[in-house]
Amino acid sequence: GDSVTQMEGPVTLSEEAFLTINCTYTATGYPSLFWYVQYPGEGLQLLLKATKADDKGSNKGFEATYRKETTSFHLEKGSVQVSDSAVYFCALSPPFSGGYNKLIFGAGTRLAVHP
Amino acid sequence: DAGVIQSPRHEVTEMGQEVTLRCKPISGHDYLFWYRQTMMRGLELLIYFNNNVPIDDSGMPEDRFSAKMPNASFSTLKIQPSEPRDSAVYFCASSPPGQGSYNEQFFGPGTRLTVL
Repeated sequence: GDSVTQMEGPVTLSEEAFLTINCTYTATGYPSLFWYVQYPGEGLQLLLKATKADDKGSNKGFEATYRKETTSFHLEKGSVQVSDSAVYFCALSPPFSGGYNKLIFGAGTRLAVHP
Repeated sequence: DAGVIQSPRHEVTEMGQEVTLRCKPISGHDYLFWYRQTMMRGLELLIYFNNNVPIDDSGMPEDRFSAKMPNASFSTLKIQPSEPRDSAVYFCASSPPGQGSYNEQFFGPGTRLTVL
């Protein structure tokens, strides 16, 4: 079945470091791909998305490119801040087939950024 | 516009007691989801509704769990009787109509349930 695999955390970085969080997926067809972020004590919120191959999603300095050939959707940011400390979830939604498709989440990767 | 509202934010109860979690989705959204988050199992979809009708409850762990959506602005998740292994954070999320597989889900702040 469809699934999402993320790199295990925690990821610990110093402020202004470069961030990569790896995400790979298994799905038939062309799913839509998402990154959600969960700040401490809050619910998840959408960070960015990409709906077709080679699309790049971007928001708040984060970006991720939908790579069909490697079935990947890695999250990157050039310079992290302390305020980026959170748990990041990669997710996919299977291709639309006339009904609603559930989001399938990865396990989440905790990021801790130190001053 | 208010986001998804959940109550209570924290619930501590004793094993065997009934627990009811509440959710108010964003106005105009016609999909509603209940998730459970634990360290061991991550984020699990329990059930979702469309236009107040349960569509998929395959994630509901057992008969002790039940969910209802009596109208477009209110849903409940009930656990009866509760057990310590039900301790988790329960999230409600809603989604607007018509987005197909590009669906963004809007999450509430969650209810942290502790069953002693």
